[in-house]
Amino acid sequence: DTAVSQTPKYLVTQMGNDKSIKCEQNLGHDTMYWYKQDSKKFLKIMFSYNNKELIINETVPNRFSPKSPDKAHLNLHINSLELGDSAVYFCASSPFNTNEKLFFGSGTQLSVL
Amino acid sequence: GIQVEQSPPDLILQEGANSTLRCNFSDSVNNLQWFHQNPWGQLINLFYIPSGTKQNGRLSATTVATERYSLLYISSSQTTDSGVYFCAVGDSGTYKYIFGTGTRLKVLA
Repeated sequence: DTAVSQTPKYLVTQMGNDKSIKCEQNLGHDTMYWYKQDSKKFLKIMFSYNNKELIINETVPNRFSPKSPDKAHLNLHINSLELGDSAVYFCASSPFNTNEKLFFGSGTQLSVL
Repeated sequence: GIQVEQSPPDLILQEGANSTLRCNFSDSVNNLQWFHQNPWGQLINLFYIPSGTKQNGRLSATTVATERYSLLYISSSQTTDSGVYFCAVGDSGTYKYIFGTGTRLKVLA
């Protein structure tokens, strides 16, 4: 009965590969996010979707493509992985917008070799 | 955009000690939350506190929105309090939460 779940938890891959991370929330929230946490623990927003529509794209390279098939799911596909993509990626959701509490998934640690 | 700074960046405490963590933000916000990232990487929401004071056990938080800062108090710290504490502010009118730089806390037994 996890509120925000993302898979896989760990992802190890070679440079140049394409990979996907999946996220699902069962809270009935309208808004979902992807955040990237770098090696210095800094958390930066990548994308935000509200009811399946892209709201925020924070100057993320085109190799990153989010997809929201419905408001409970937000997946992240990454093409042509680079060494600098190694980080922890967190999915999150909130009921509507920034007036509400934010709930995080457990994170996906991506290592690009 | 809104800048969020936290202090101190690092903190080492002996078990049982008290501490105050600070979050300063550069513009008006409509939301402020405190999170604890435990050593396993999980981000746990501690407080949703756009203004005023809240308490939850040994933790309490105060936000003075007009002066653009928030404080997180940890009393009688325990080793399980170790981790990174983040504040995050909601940019008014957008769907963007902006995170502070974090305070890395280590509590020694």
